[in-house]
Amino acid sequence: DTGVSQDPRHKITKRGQNVTFRCDPISEHNRLYWYRQTLGQGPEFLTYFQNEAQLEKSRLLSDRFSAERPKGSFSTLEIQRTEQGDSAMYLCASSLAQGATGELFFGEGSRLTVL
Amino acid sequence: GDSVTQMEGPVTLSEEACLTINCTYTATGYPSLFWYVQYPGEGLQLLLKATKADDKGSNKGFEATYRKETTSFHLEKGSVQVSDSAVYFCALNRDDKIIFGKGTRLHILP
Repeated sequence: DTGVSQDPRHKITKRGQNVTFRCDPISEHNRLYWYRQTLGQGPEFLTYFQNEAQLEKSRLLSDRFSAERPKGSFSTLEIQRTEQGDSAMYLCASSLAQGATGELFFGEGSRLTVL
Repeated sequence: GDSVTQMEGPVTLSEEACLTINCTYTATGYPSLFWYVQYPGEGLQLLLKATKADDKGSNKGFEATYRKETTSFHLEKGSVQVSDSAVYFCALNRDDKIIFGKGTRLHILP
């Protein structure tokens, strides 16, 4: 297994456009997380799934953001009507463990630039 | 809410110097504590962890001890290498999520 992969690695878009990011977790991992990271900050939790169920969304997450994991494998994160403040690195991570005492395995991230 | 505070960087050291990166946490109960590292051009990866008070996590010559009394989890290494140059994140778990600090960038000069 090659680890967590994310696509695209970099997306440049104009304000108001919609963008979608894809994450393929490590195949046997049942948990999948999305985080956002801006320059000089640590990763900020957005949402997570156990199998296909979305268990939690951050209160900071705008209604313009939606995530899916339809078959409990890959996940997509869509941002509608992008704003300049959405510019950030979007990180995906997966894990096996029940509870967060286990290790998260991160992808290399998808960098979004909104012009 | 739960949070992690770590020393601001960048931290610049010469090779073979001693390293300490301070981390303190605020949490209800006793969360598991982590150090993650991000090498240039790579994704975040777990460096070490400790799941209960007085536990010591260690990996690649790095160590950190879970101190309940001081709510701290400082990262230490006795002799750093150029290859240790990276961004280091202190983190804790809360309700099945990992909460990260802002990160500390470390530069090691040859």
